[in-house]
Amino acid sequence: ETGVTQSPTHLIKTRGQQVTLRCSSQSGHNTVSWYQQALGQGPQFIFQYYREEENGRGNFPPRFSGLQFPNYSSELNVNALELDDSALYLCASSLYAGGQETQYFGPGTRLLVL
Amino acid sequence: DAKTTQPTSMDCAEGRAANLPCNHSTISGNEYVYWYRQIHSQGPQYIIHGLKNNETNEMASLIITEDRKSSTLILPHATLRDTAVYYCIVRAPSSGTYKYIFGTGTRLKVLA
Repeated sequence: ETGVTQSPTHLIKTRGQQVTLRCSSQSGHNTVSWYQQALGQGPQFIFQYYREEENGRGNFPPRFSGLQFPNYSSELNVNALELDDSALYLCASSLYAGGQETQYFGPGTRLLVL
Repeated sequence: DAKTTQPTSMDCAEGRAANLPCNHSTISGNEYVYWYRQIHSQGPQYIIHGLKNNETNEMASLIITEDRKSSTLILPHATLRDTAVYYCIVRAPSSGTYKYIFGTGTRLKVLA
Protein backbone atom coordinates (compact mmCIF):
# COMPACT_ATOMS: atom_id res chain seq x y z
CA GLU A 1 0.00 0.00 0.00
CA THR A 2 1.42 3.35 -1.10
CA GLY A 3 -1.21 5.59 0.44
CA VAL A 4 -2.03 6.96 -3.03
CA THR A 5 -5.68 6.54 -3.92
CA GLN A 6 -7.51 7.09 -7.19
CA SER A 7 -11.15 7.33 -8.11
CA PRO A 8 -13.08 5.97 -9.79
CA THR A 9 -11.54 2.55 -10.39
CA HIS A 10 -13.34 2.04 -13.68
CA LEU A 11 -15.19 4.36 -16.02
CA ILE A 12 -17.00 4.06 -19.33
CA LYS A 13 -17.54 7.14 -21.52
CA THR A 14 -18.54 7.79 -25.09
CA ARG A 15 -16.53 9.63 -27.69
CA GLY A 16 -16.74 13.42 -27.35
CA GLN A 17 -17.55 13.40 -23.65
CA GLN A 18 -15.42 14.84 -20.88
CA VAL A 19 -13.99 12.98 -17.88
CA THR A 20 -12.43 13.91 -14.54
CA LEU A 21 -10.18 11.52 -12.67
CA ARG A 22 -9.07 12.07 -9.09
CA CYS A 23 -5.97 11.31 -7.08
CA SER A 24 -5.14 11.68 -3.40
CA SER A 25 -1.44 11.82 -2.74
CA GLN A 26 0.52 10.20 0.04
CA SER A 27 0.75 12.23 3.21
CA GLY A 28 3.72 14.63 3.14
CA HIS A 29 4.09 14.54 -0.65
CA ASN A 30 3.87 17.81 -2.61
CA THR A 31 4.09 16.55 -6.19
CA VAL A 32 1.69 14.56 -8.34
CA SER A 33 2.44 13.08 -11.75
CA TRP A 34 -0.06 11.58 -14.17
CA TYR A 35 0.55 8.79 -16.65
CA GLN A 36 -1.42 7.08 -19.39
CA GLN A 37 -0.86 3.37 -19.95
CA ALA A 38 -2.29 1.78 -23.07
CA LEU A 39 -2.67 -1.98 -23.16
CA GLY A 40 0.68 -3.73 -23.48
CA GLN A 41 2.69 -0.53 -23.18
CA GLY A 42 4.64 1.16 -20.42
CA PRO A 43 3.15 4.23 -18.73
CA GLN A 44 3.52 7.49 -20.69
CA PHE A 45 4.10 10.73 -18.78
CA ILE A 46 1.24 13.25 -19.18
CA PHE A 47 2.21 16.02 -16.76
CA GLN A 48 3.34 16.80 -13.25
CA TYR A 49 1.99 19.24 -10.66
CA TYR A 50 4.10 20.77 -7.94
CA ARG A 51 2.63 23.17 -5.39
CA GLU A 52 -0.51 23.63 -7.48
CA GLU A 53 1.30 24.54 -10.70
CA GLU A 54 1.99 22.44 -13.79
CA ASN A 55 5.65 21.56 -13.62
CA GLY A 56 6.44 19.65 -16.80
CA ARG A 57 4.37 18.07 -19.54
CA GLY A 58 4.73 15.14 -21.88
CA ASN A 59 3.57 14.88 -25.47
CA PHE A 60 -0.16 15.17 -24.82
CA PRO A 61 -2.59 17.68 -26.39
CA PRO A 62 -4.14 20.58 -24.44
CA ARG A 63 -7.42 18.68 -24.02
CA PHE A 64 -5.56 16.87 -21.24
CA SER A 65 -5.47 19.27 -18.32
CA GLY A 66 -5.08 19.07 -14.60
CA LEU A 67 -5.33 20.71 -11.24
CA GLN A 68 -3.60 20.34 -7.94
CA PHE A 69 -5.29 21.49 -4.76
CA PRO A 70 -3.81 23.00 -1.56
CA ASN A 71 -3.92 19.56 0.09
CA TYR A 72 -1.86 18.28 -2.89
CA SER A 73 -4.62 16.06 -4.23
CA SER A 74 -5.06 16.31 -7.98
CA GLU A 75 -7.46 15.95 -10.89
CA LEU A 76 -6.89 14.95 -14.48
CA ASN A 77 -9.44 16.27 -16.96
CA VAL A 78 -9.78 15.03 -20.50
CA ASN A 79 -12.08 16.85 -22.93
CA ALA A 80 -13.46 15.64 -26.24
CA LEU A 81 -12.68 12.02 -25.53
CA GLU A 82 -11.37 9.89 -28.38
CA LEU A 83 -11.37 6.13 -28.70
CA ASP A 84 -7.56 6.09 -28.27
CA ASP A 85 -7.95 7.65 -24.83
CA SER A 86 -9.01 4.23 -23.56
CA ALA A 87 -6.26 3.31 -21.12
CA LEU A 88 -5.21 2.87 -17.52
CA TYR A 89 -4.56 6.28 -15.97
CA LEU A 90 -2.06 6.31 -13.16
CA CYS A 91 -1.15 8.99 -10.71
CA ALA A 92 2.01 9.01 -8.64
CA SER A 93 2.89 11.19 -5.70
CA SER A 94 6.35 12.16 -4.56
CA LEU A 95 8.24 14.57 -2.41
CA TYR A 96 10.05 16.93 -4.77
CA ALA A 97 13.18 18.16 -3.06
CA GLY A 98 15.63 18.18 -5.96
CA GLY A 99 17.96 15.31 -6.77
CA GLN A 100 16.15 12.15 -5.79
CA GLU A 101 12.43 11.85 -6.28
CA THR A 102 10.79 8.49 -5.71
CA GLN A 103 7.29 8.29 -7.12
CA TYR A 104 4.64 6.11 -5.50
CA PHE A 105 1.80 5.02 -7.74
CA GLY A 106 -1.87 4.60 -7.10
CA PRO A 107 -3.88 1.64 -8.38
CA GLY A 108 -5.07 3.50 -11.47
CA THR A 109 -8.37 4.33 -13.15
CA ARG A 110 -9.31 2.22 -16.15
CA LEU A 111 -11.10 4.34 -18.74
CA LEU A 112 -12.99 2.85 -21.67
CA VAL A 113 -14.16 5.18 -24.43
CA LEU A 114 -16.85 3.78 -26.71
CA ASP B 1 12.60 8.31 -26.22
CA ALA B 2 13.21 5.78 -23.46
CA LYS B 3 16.69 6.07 -22.05
CA THR B 4 16.88 2.40 -21.07
CA THR B 5 16.79 -0.92 -22.89
CA GLN B 6 15.73 -4.21 -21.33
CA PRO B 7 15.08 -7.73 -22.60
CA THR B 8 11.46 -8.29 -23.49
CA SER B 9 11.00 -11.37 -21.33
CA MET B 10 12.77 -13.74 -18.96
CA ASP B 11 11.95 -16.92 -17.08
CA CYS B 12 13.27 -17.89 -13.66
CA ALA B 13 12.78 -21.00 -11.55
CA GLU B 14 11.11 -20.50 -8.21
CA GLY B 15 13.65 -20.19 -5.41
CA ARG B 16 16.42 -19.12 -7.76
CA ALA B 17 17.88 -15.67 -8.11
CA ALA B 18 16.36 -13.56 -10.88
CA ASN B 19 18.85 -11.23 -12.55
CA LEU B 20 17.25 -8.55 -14.70
CA PRO B 21 19.64 -6.47 -16.82
CA CYS B 22 19.20 -2.91 -18.04
CA ASN B 23 21.29 -0.76 -20.35
CA HIS B 24 21.33 3.00 -19.86
CA SER B 25 24.38 4.06 -21.86
CA THR B 26 23.34 7.74 -22.13
CA ILE B 27 22.85 8.26 -18.41
CA SER B 28 24.18 11.55 -17.03
CA GLY B 29 26.35 11.86 -13.97
CA ASN B 30 23.62 12.96 -11.58
CA GLU B 31 20.77 10.77 -12.85
CA TYR B 32 19.46 7.98 -10.68
CA VAL B 33 18.37 4.56 -11.89
CA TYR B 34 14.97 3.43 -10.59
CA TRP B 35 13.32 0.04 -10.73
CA TYR B 36 9.60 -0.59 -10.54
CA ARG B 37 7.44 -3.58 -11.20
CA GLN B 38 3.84 -3.90 -12.29
CA ILE B 39 1.73 -6.90 -11.49
CA HIS B 40 -1.27 -7.54 -13.72
CA SER B 41 -2.21 -3.91 -14.52
CA GLN B 42 -1.98 -2.68 -10.95
CA GLY B 43 -0.07 0.53 -10.31
CA PRO B 44 3.72 0.20 -10.64
CA GLN B 45 5.39 -0.72 -7.37
CA TYR B 46 8.66 0.93 -6.36
CA ILE B 47 11.49 -1.55 -5.79
CA ILE B 48 14.81 0.25 -5.45
CA HIS B 49 16.95 3.03 -6.85
CA GLY B 50 20.62 3.99 -6.95
CA LEU B 51 23.15 6.45 -8.28
CA LYS B 52 26.51 4.69 -8.48
CA ASN B 53 26.89 2.44 -5.48
CA ASN B 54 25.26 -0.95 -5.17
CA GLU B 55 22.08 -0.85 -3.16
CA THR B 56 20.12 -3.48 -1.24
CA ASN B 57 16.77 -3.41 0.50
CA GLU B 58 14.27 -5.97 1.69
CA MET B 59 12.99 -6.56 -1.83
CA ALA B 60 16.06 -6.63 -4.04
CA SER B 61 19.63 -5.67 -4.79
CA LEU B 62 20.76 -3.22 -7.45
CA ILE B 63 24.18 -3.58 -9.03
CA ILE B 64 25.36 -0.61 -11.10
CA THR B 65 28.47 -0.94 -13.25
CA GLU B 66 31.37 1.36 -12.56
CA ASP B 67 30.80 3.31 -15.80
CA ARG B 68 27.07 3.50 -14.88
CA LYS B 69 26.04 2.44 -18.37
CA SER B 70 24.19 -0.63 -17.17
CA SER B 71 22.66 -2.14 -14.08
CA THR B 72 21.18 -5.40 -12.84
CA LEU B 73 18.26 -5.91 -10.52
CA ILE B 74 18.59 -9.06 -8.44
CA LEU B 75 15.67 -10.78 -6.75
CA PRO B 76 17.59 -13.22 -4.54
CA HIS B 77 14.96 -15.93 -4.13
CA ALA B 78 12.22 -15.50 -6.70
CA THR B 79 8.70 -16.60 -5.81
CA LEU B 80 5.62 -17.02 -7.99
CA ARG B 81 4.40 -13.64 -6.68
CA ASP B 82 7.40 -11.97 -8.32
CA THR B 83 5.91 -12.67 -11.76
CA ALA B 84 5.46 -9.16 -13.17
CA VAL B 85 6.72 -6.62 -15.69
CA TYR B 86 9.88 -4.96 -14.40
CA TYR B 87 10.76 -1.44 -15.51
CA CYS B 88 14.19 0.15 -15.35
CA ILE B 89 13.91 3.94 -15.47
CA VAL B 90 16.27 6.85 -15.67
CA ARG B 91 14.65 10.16 -14.92
CA ALA B 92 14.95 12.60 -17.80
CA PRO B 93 14.80 16.41 -17.62
CA SER B 94 11.58 17.84 -19.01
CA SER B 95 10.61 21.50 -19.05
CA GLY B 96 12.29 22.40 -15.80
CA THR B 97 11.49 19.21 -13.98
CA TYR B 98 12.23 15.53 -14.33
CA LYS B 99 9.99 12.84 -15.70
CA TYR B 100 10.05 9.09 -15.61
CA ILE B 101 10.34 7.58 -19.08
CA PHE B 102 9.09 4.02 -19.06
CA GLY B 103 10.08 1.58 -21.76
CA THR B 104 8.19 -1.65 -22.35
CA GLY B 105 10.01 -3.40 -19.48
CA THR B 106 10.96 -7.04 -18.94
CA ARG B 107 8.20 -9.55 -18.41
CA LEU B 108 9.52 -11.92 -15.75
CA LYS B 109 7.81 -15.25 -15.35
CA VAL B 110 8.71 -17.27 -12.26
CA LEU B 111 8.17 -20.96 -12.89
CA ALA B 112 7.17 -23.51 -10.26
